[in-house]
Amino acid sequence: GQQLNQSPQSMFIQEGEDVSMNCTSSSIFNTWLWYKQDPGEGPVLLIALYKAGELTSNGRLTAQFGITRKDSFLNISASIPSDVGIYFCAGQLPRAQKLVFGQGTRLTINP
Amino acid sequence: SAVISQKPSRDICQRGTSLTIQCQVDSQVTMMFWYRQQPGQSLTLIATANQGSEATYESGFVIDKFPISRPNLTFSTLTVSNMSPEDSSIYLCSVDARRPGLRDWNTEAFFGQGTRLTVV
Repeated sequence: GQQLNQSPQSMFIQEGEDVSMNCTSSSIFNTWLWYKQDPGEGPVLLIALYKAGELTSNGRLTAQFGITRKDSFLNISASIPSDVGIYFCAGQLPRAQKLVFGQGTRLTINP
Repeated sequence: SAVISQKPSRDICQRGTSLTIQCQVDSQVTMMFWYRQQPGQSLTLIATANQGSEATYESGFVIDKFPISRPNLTFSTLTVSNMSPEDSSIYLCSVDARRPGLRDWNTEAFFGQGTRLTVV
């Protein structure tokens, strides 16, 4: 089936550092979504991207829809302790409502 | 966005039994989705629940094991049947509740808090 390659799988950073993670695929997507999941909770939608080249911010978070429509990145600036969690990318294939998820990036922050 | 409530939030079940998970949405939605998240893993789509028709299952998932109901546009249930320890996972309900103005071919999916199932 379709796969998204998300990297890195885990990150250990100091508070205040910037974070960058990305997802790539061999397939073209209509939509890229970025989620954060805290322990014991469902994923929460952070940013949605709908057009190739689109760059969208949500506070300290910035995400881009790759120009080839096969990749996306998420940046977090000036990380804080509450940024800890697992981040997932998800892509929507053309002519399909369902999503394909990346493997997740586990973010750990040292105070 | 949409507010999605799942019940139960967690359960411990005996092998061989079945558990029905409920998903309630605060608005009418056309499509509802059920995902499984095995420990430490990503999300895998089980099926798409359509109101008024049978659910559409993904490869590796069958109706006998995961029967789904969708009686109306705000509610769905997923049953995990004849459970074994391998079924221990988080089960998540999701809806496509895109904001007005988005094109039909763009989705905006929201999730419930999940049901953590442990089979012993």
